[in-house]
Amino acid sequence: NAGVMQNPRHLVRRRGQEARLRCSPMKGHSHVYWYRQLPEEGLKFMVYLQKENIIDESGMPKERFSAEFPKEGPSILRIQQVVRGDSAAYFCASSRQGGETQYFGPGTRLLVL
Amino acid sequence: KNEVEQSPQNLTAQEGEFITINCSYSVGISALHWLQQHPGGGIVSLFMLSSGKKKHGRLIATINIQEKHSSLHITASHPRDSAVYICAVETARQLTFGSGTQLTVLP
Repeated sequence: NAGVMQNPRHLVRRRGQEARLRCSPMKGHSHVYWYRQLPEEGLKFMVYLQKENIIDESGMPKERFSAEFPKEGPSILRIQQVVRGDSAAYFCASSRQGGETQYFGPGTRLLVL
Repeated sequence: KNEVEQSPQNLTAQEGEFITINCSYSVGISALHWLQQHPGGGIVSLFMLSSGKKKHGRLIATINIQEKHSSLHITASHPRDSAVYICAVETARQLTFGSGTQLTVLP
């Protein structure tokens, strides 16, 4: 049973470009969570999704950031017009049900030049 | 004041020592999580608990809901336990994280 998969593991973008981060949850998991870890800072919640639904996006910046978890395929965290301050590690986690143990992916390290 | 406070921030121990990391929180929670972040950055979920005590190998986690406090204990510590240990509290399906405890176990 493969764990949570994230790709790419490393992503380099220039300011103004778009970044797409993908997360494939563990088999049988329909709940996905995205977290961001800025350099030298702790993890922060961004968004919680179930299949085709955004349940809680209170941690997501209001502009340039969006997330989806379609019926088929991975969850996508999309950052438009990236800025240097978006450089961070973005972690995805999944759970079978809400309120159960979350399993973390290896993270995507985004570097904005 | 942060919702989740961990102590100590840094901890250096000799191999074999018993280690305790503490976590205090200020809000009502549905569960508390202990996570381990390796030097390479990967995160592993160690425990999720809402009451009492859980044990897995050399790791023990306890929680006191009334006192809003949890501890993570490592018995017979080993250099491979060196990592950042993170406490996170769950409210409304959302995790709020402590700043982590950097543990270094020397051989």
